[in-house]
Amino acid sequence: AQSVSQHNHHVILSEAASLELGCNYSYGGTVNLFWYVQYPGQHLQLLLKYFSGDPLVKGIKGFEAEFIKSKFSFNLRKPSVQWSDTAEYFCAVTPSSNTGKLIFGQGTTLQVKP
Amino acid sequence: DTAVSQTPKYLVTQMGNDKSIKCEQNLGHDTMYWYKQDSKKFLKIMFSYNNKELIINETVPNRFSPKSPDKAHLNLHINSLELGDSAVYFCASSQVGSHSNYGYTFGSGTRLTVV
Repeated sequence: AQSVSQHNHHVILSEAASLELGCNYSYGGTVNLFWYVQYPGQHLQLLLKYFSGDPLVKGIKGFEAEFIKSKFSFNLRKPSVQWSDTAEYFCAVTPSSNTGKLIFGQGTTLQVKP
Repeated sequence: DTAVSQTPKYLVTQMGNDKSIKCEQNLGHDTMYWYKQDSKKFLKIMFSYNNKELIINETVPNRFSPKSPDKAHLNLHINSLELGDSAVYFCASSQVGSHSNYGYTFGSGTRLTVV
């Protein structure tokens, strides 16, 4: 079955620290990949997405992610986090050929200390 | 204008009641979804409709019945509510197809509390 695994469940960083959140998926075919952010009490917002082309994807708010096909990974990075980045981060995949069903990882809670 | 709007935002109800959550999108998308986010924040798809046709129906109790009167609306009706139904329910929409970008837009969520 298709699945998404986020290895870091709870990450605590100080402001200006660098961030990397791991995401691995299991699916043998072509996939579309996403990172979503959920600020406290709010809905999910798209940070970035990968469909094809350059495996290094840049998103909003200084976030980027790199798709490594051989490792089935799509890790999220930010060189310098801010207190306002405190949120829940979700990796998600959808097989390119299907009906658009998003499969989410368990989420990573990021807490940035001022 | 809100792209995907859900009502109500909060819903507190007693066990055994029947309740509905409404969702509307004004993006012209052809596919709409219901996701459930549990207390551990895990998100799981429940249903998906494409042009009013049910295309995804995950393992969900049949007390949950989605209804799509047109492609801009997807409502969720829940019968005989149970304590375990307490969660945040998110509606979403996307344009699915060979030239689509699968860009999902989520609603703001409905926090359902069953007491």
